[in-house]
Amino acid sequence: NAGVMQNPRHLVRRRGQEARLRCSPMKGHSHVYWYRQLPEEGLKFMVYLQKENIIDESGMPKERFSAEFPKEGPSILRIQQVVRGDSAAYFCASSPTSGGNDEQYFGPGTRLTVT
Amino acid sequence: DQQVKQNSPSLSVQEGRISILNCDYTNSMFDYFLWYKKYPAEGPTFLISISSIKDKNEDGRFTVFLNKSAKHLSLHIVPSQPGDSAVYFCAARNQAGTALIFGKGTTLSVSS
Repeated sequence: NAGVMQNPRHLVRRRGQEARLRCSPMKGHSHVYWYRQLPEEGLKFMVYLQKENIIDESGMPKERFSAEFPKEGPSILRIQQVVRGDSAAYFCASSPTSGGNDEQYFGPGTRLTVT
Repeated sequence: DQQVKQNSPSLSVQEGRISILNCDYTNSMFDYFLWYKKYPAEGPTFLISISSIKDKNEDGRFTVFLNKSAKHLSLHIVPSQPGDSAVYFCAARNQAGTALIFGKGTTLSVSS
């Protein structure tokens, strides 16, 4: 029973390039969440998606960041024109339902370094 | 403005003793709390949770206590083992049920 999968595990981008982070939820899970962890900080919520729908993007920066969870395929977090401040660990989590008392299961993260 | 606070960045405990990790929150509307454990270069792993209708939840060596009036929860690990050495995050589910709000974490070191 595979867990949440994220790729790539490490990503290096130069300033101004685009970064694409992928997340495949656990089998049977239809809810995906993205979090960002800056050094020495806790995880900060970015966006919550269900298939083909963004439910809550209150934690997403208004510019350069976008997320999708298409009907087929993984969820994608896209960062355009990356800057050094985007360097962080990005974690994806999934759950079978939302609300309720279902915990979120996290993937291993993608560590983005912007040079 | 941190809604979930873990005021102790680190804790050192001897093997076999009790580890107590603390967490405070500011929003009295939070109704579900979770503890996650994280090793370096890995994602957080769910440990234990508690609903606000309870004041205690136990799972093996792990017990979480909730004091709603003080807006405080704690995680007890008994007995502590060297494999418990990790960063522990406290989290609260937001009111909409769409996200978890995390504290900054406490690094637990258990020495043998």
